[in-house]
Amino acid sequence: DARVTQTPRHKVTEMGQEVTMRCQPILGHNTVFWYRQTMMQGLELLAYFRNRAPLDDSGMPKDRFSAEMPDATLATLKIQPSEPRDSAVYFCASGFNRRVDTQYFGPGTRLTVL
Amino acid sequence: GDSVTQMEGPVTLSEEAFLTINCTYTATGYPSLFWYVQYPGEGLQLLLKATKADDKGSNKGFEATYRKETTSFHLEKGSVQVSDSAVYFCALFEGGATNKLIFGTGTLLAVQP
Repeated sequence: DARVTQTPRHKVTEMGQEVTMRCQPILGHNTVFWYRQTMMQGLELLAYFRNRAPLDDSGMPKDRFSAEMPDATLATLKIQPSEPRDSAVYFCASGFNRRVDTQYFGPGTRLTVL
Repeated sequence: GDSVTQMEGPVTLSEEAFLTINCTYTATGYPSLFWYVQYPGEGLQLLLKATKADDKGSNKGFEATYRKETTSFHLEKGSVQVSDSAVYFCALFEGGATNKLIFGTGTLLAVQP
């Protein structure tokens, strides 16, 4: 049963600390999305990769957030420095090929910044 | 730009009641439409989809019909169960250069025994 995996599932950190979240897309999928979910804003797309290249990161605060795909099996989302307003659930999703209307979501990383 | 509007929740129903969650969309082209479901503590899962007008998507007893004339994609189920309690998201796929899924705000469904 192929699934998107994310680590860690929960992270509590203090303001100013660096946070790194990891995602392993489904094997063979070539498209990866990062979303952030909060009560106030709902589900927001932060960044989108295809074949490991960033195609759209317009939803991401550039000054503190960065997203990369070091290889086809790993995507990372980093926040440095973290702030309390970054507290949210961060989801990774993967899909295949150009038409990624069907996305498979991971279980999310619940981040709390104190 | 393209957008999705769905009814606000929570929707509270008794087991075996009929469910409707309304969803309407705004799009310049001909998007594909989706319902995703999020169970507590989990990520979103695709529930059903429809890719063109008059298509009906169905899965696990849930149905939704792509209505171009009313720009709607309402989710229905004839008899809900406690296990259907979750947040339901309507979404449309915006293809072209951006290739984005546009999500609605989600509707919480609570089914009571």
